Amino acid sequence: IAGITQAPTSQILAAGRRMTLRCTQDMRHNAMYWYRQDLGLGLRLIHYSNTAGTTGKGEVPDGYSVSRANTDDFPLTLASAVPSQTSVYFCASSDSTGTWVNEQFFGPGTRLTVL
Amino acid sequence: GQNIDQPTEMTATEGAIVQINCTYQTSGFNGLFWYQQHAGEAPTFLSYNVLDGLEEKGRFSSFLSRSKGYSYLLLKELQMKDSASYLCAVTDSNYQLIWGAGTKLIIKP
Repeated sequence: IAGITQAPTSQILAAGRRMTLRCTQDMRHNAMYWYRQDLGLGLRLIHYSNTAGTTGKGEVPDGYSVSRANTDDFPLTLASAVPSQTSVYFCASSDSTGTWVNEQFFGPGTRLTVL
Repeated sequence: GQNIDQPTEMTATEGAIVQINCTYQTSGFNGLFWYQQHAGEAPTFLSYNVLDGLEEKGRFSSFLSRSKGYSYLLLKELQMKDSASYLCAVTDSNYQLIWGAGTKLIIKP
């Protein structure tokens, strides 16, 4: 693994189904983030984690949950998918904390379609 | 409220210079980032400004005026591969990034 990876690359999901998007980084970054990107809108933060064992809500957290059991992994779960969750999802990581910032490195993205 | 404004689309000619502007209103300020995103790909880091002034990095430069809530990204000697979206993001008082919708830059021969 080099950098940050996401799986799956793309997925078509029936409404009401549960789905977990996976994200793994090998840079030992303490902070990780989940964004969604929709046409005409900027990246919007869903959830973040400043360090393993802690998580926080971003701008659009409803319908999503995350966990951060270790430094490397930060899965995003949609408990019951709805069509409005159709989007491109990016995972990112950075060597930042809650009191200073550094550049974020992005995974390749997961294109999710909810029908 | 928090707001980041960028032009939606710009067109420029290969070999020329283009300036992409970004204005922002956020709760607190802890720095401004510019990212490049090619179609279908992930954003990649270009520059970071936390103090007023110009930061130069090769063909790309970024300027910040905190008092005016304003930044620009200057791209010189444009190449076809510079065709991409350019994203402005501001770090707010919670040290999270607030992103603009991006500026799609089209380069013509």
